[in-house]
Amino acid sequence: ETGVTQTPRHLVMGMTNKKSLKCEQHLGHNAMYWYKQSAKKPLELMFVYSLEERVENNSVPSRFSPECPNSSHLFLHLHTLQPEDSALYLCASSQGLAGGTRGDTQYFGPGTRLTVL
Amino acid sequence: DQQVKQNSPSLSVQEGRISILNCDYTNSMFDYFLWYKKYPAEGPTFLISISSIKDKNEDGRFTVFLNKSAKHLSLHIVPSQPGDSAVYFCAAVLYNNNDMRFGAGTRLTVKP
Repeated sequence: ETGVTQTPRHLVMGMTNKKSLKCEQHLGHNAMYWYKQSAKKPLELMFVYSLEERVENNSVPSRFSPECPNSSHLFLHLHTLQPEDSALYLCASSQGLAGGTRGDTQYFGPGTRLTVL
Repeated sequence: DQQVKQNSPSLSVQEGRISILNCDYTNSMFDYFLWYKKYPAEGPTFLISISSIKDKNEDGRFTVFLNKSAKHLSLHIVPSQPGDSAVYFCAAVLYNNNDMRFGAGTRLTVKP
């Protein structure tokens, strides 16, 4: 399998549930990202990991908890979400960090469509 | 604060004609810009980029123009093909920053 994969592709959860999103990259990249895309809104960067260390957290509520056990895997743990958290959650990876070496193109996974009831 | 704006949510073009997608930004510290294309049920894929030291970058049918004084960039696709129908996002990166800001996207439809 190549590229960036995300599971599950669709997830419906209640506000009291705990679930996790998984991202895996097969590109040998060192940086991984979580983005949120709400309907008709720009992509929002949530978290950035470089070499398994979190380097950015854009004021994301604590009900979203990322985990990066190694450079190939990234998780987003979800707990007591709100209906407004329903969105497409995209994972991306890059060789280095965007904004560092020019040309650190980010490669995106297909996303997880999350619905919170 | 939406620093990258794509004011046209949709654009329809006839096959073979030129498609022009526009993007405006507010932060003059952005120094690298990218365009991504997104098909339904897929993640965005990188299309073309431009550094702020340039005003034009061309790759086949795709050309990106940057007007720094106007804080405006555009993506030209010529000739447009039905397979180009997708949502196009522009993105901007601050120098030495990990934060890539995206516009809301423009849905391009190329009619046969």
